[in-house]
Amino acid sequence: SSELTQDPAVSVALGQTVRITCQGDSLRSYYASWYQQKPGQAPVVVIYGKDIRPSGIPDRFSGSTSGNTASLTITGAQAEDEADYYCDSRDSSGSQVLFGGGTKLTVL
Amino acid sequence: QLQLQESGPGLVKPSETLSVTCTVSGDSISTSSYYWAWIRQPPGKGLEWIGSIYSSGSSYYNPSLKSRVTISVDTSKKQFSLRLSSVTAADTAVYYCAREVGGEWNYNWFDPWGQGTLLTVSS
Repeated sequence: SSELTQDPAVSVALGQTVRITCQGDSLRSYYASWYQQKPGQAPVVVIYGKDIRPSGIPDRFSGSTSGNTASLTITGAQAEDEADYYCDSRDSSGSQVLFGGGTKLTVL
Repeated sequence: QLQLQESGPGLVKPSETLSVTCTVSGDSISTSSYYWAWIRQPPGKGLEWIGSIYSSGSSYYNPSLKSRVTISVDTSKKQFSLRLSSVTAADTAVYYCAREVGGEWNYNWFDPWGQGTLLTVSS
């Protein structure tokens, strides 16, 4: 399969928990990575592998996978988490990199 | 600390070839286990992986762009470059370079990214 599907927009109340999902057949074989992109800035990786946070990423960010769906969970969303979030992974053959279409997260 | 910086012409005419270079500082581009990637983002749209290259020159590309893309590496200058031929307005985008890191066989990620450079295709 050559697609990763994300919901275009998600909202969450300040301090609540939100899950952003990424669907694709390749996620049955490959883990997703997740990127946060704020306006006018380059993306920053927040989760990669099974559930690995780079240094400096708050522990309210976590990742998981079930079947063909990868999820990024923000537990206790903060105002500064408002951003676009993208997943990426390999395609099912492992021969190319795919990005999801992105999810715009609004913190209310 | 590893840093990447893109440089490009800003404006390219339709049907011409777009060229962008990424300069790596803070580490060797020849460090093993890393690929070096190009990713683009049209204004207001999502991310699209273009291709990646290893320091040895081994590369792989997005099949949708493969016929028009060449990525090369110059380890002596600590640079890697993107050439995209026969450009159209659809190629207008912010072009990012990034280091591609491989974990186990079943995951990879891009970190860090350059700040990006906007390339506009227009006559």
